Amino acid sequence: SAVISQKPSRDICQRGTSLTIQCQVDSQVTMMFWYRQQPGQSLTLIATANQGSEATYESGFVIDKFPISRPNLTFSTLTVSNMSPEDSSIYLCSVLGQGNTGELFFGEGSRLTVL
Amino acid sequence: AQSVTQLGSHVSVSEGALVLLRCNYSSSVPPYLFWYVQYPNQGLQLLLKYTSAATLVKGINGFEAEFKKSETSFHLTKPSAHMSDAAEYFCAVYTSGTYKYIFGTGTRLKVLA
Repeated sequence: SAVISQKPSRDICQRGTSLTIQCQVDSQVTMMFWYRQQPGQSLTLIATANQGSEATYESGFVIDKFPISRPNLTFSTLTVSNMSPEDSSIYLCSVLGQGNTGELFFGEGSRLTVL
Repeated sequence: AQSVTQLGSHVSVSEGALVLLRCNYSSSVPPYLFWYVQYPNQGLQLLLKYTSAATLVKGINGFEAEFKKSETSFHLTKPSAHMSDAAEYFCAVYTSGTYKYIFGTGTRLKVLA
């Protein structure tokens, strides 16, 4: 299993500002995933962050809006840039469990409200 | 392409009653199927998973799910609901090697006293 810590757990932000979310894992992992969960909706993958390479973004998400860093095998950050109220969501960091059975471990999420 | 459909965005049951949350999937390859639970103000936690072994899978907190290939279903059940089961439940399908998950839209379970 993996224990994932996210900071901040919640924040209220002003339109036009940027916020960086941190994700710390208690073990070394190759791939980290960032998801968005909009109010009342399911999870949407934003990007996959591999250590030592550029993040891979899903359709509809761009690096200028959601820059990601992955400086080592236990840490990643996601920045939500130039925020608007539509960015109000829960942002979740996750990692795959060992083996290839696909189990995901999640952080507790960062709840952002943009005014 | 893979997809997951959860029938019923909201389900209410009485405490002690049977819980049945429905999930149907579509996959061109043998799927790995999962149920996750999200308690209020928390991240997602794995309930159980199907990875081509036994078709009846038992998970935590008394939940179980049965993989039925003929019906392309993976419904989640619990014989007797407890107040602490109130949460949102997500069904998901994963294709090994792709690192891609498809999540259903979720079912919010309410347990009535």
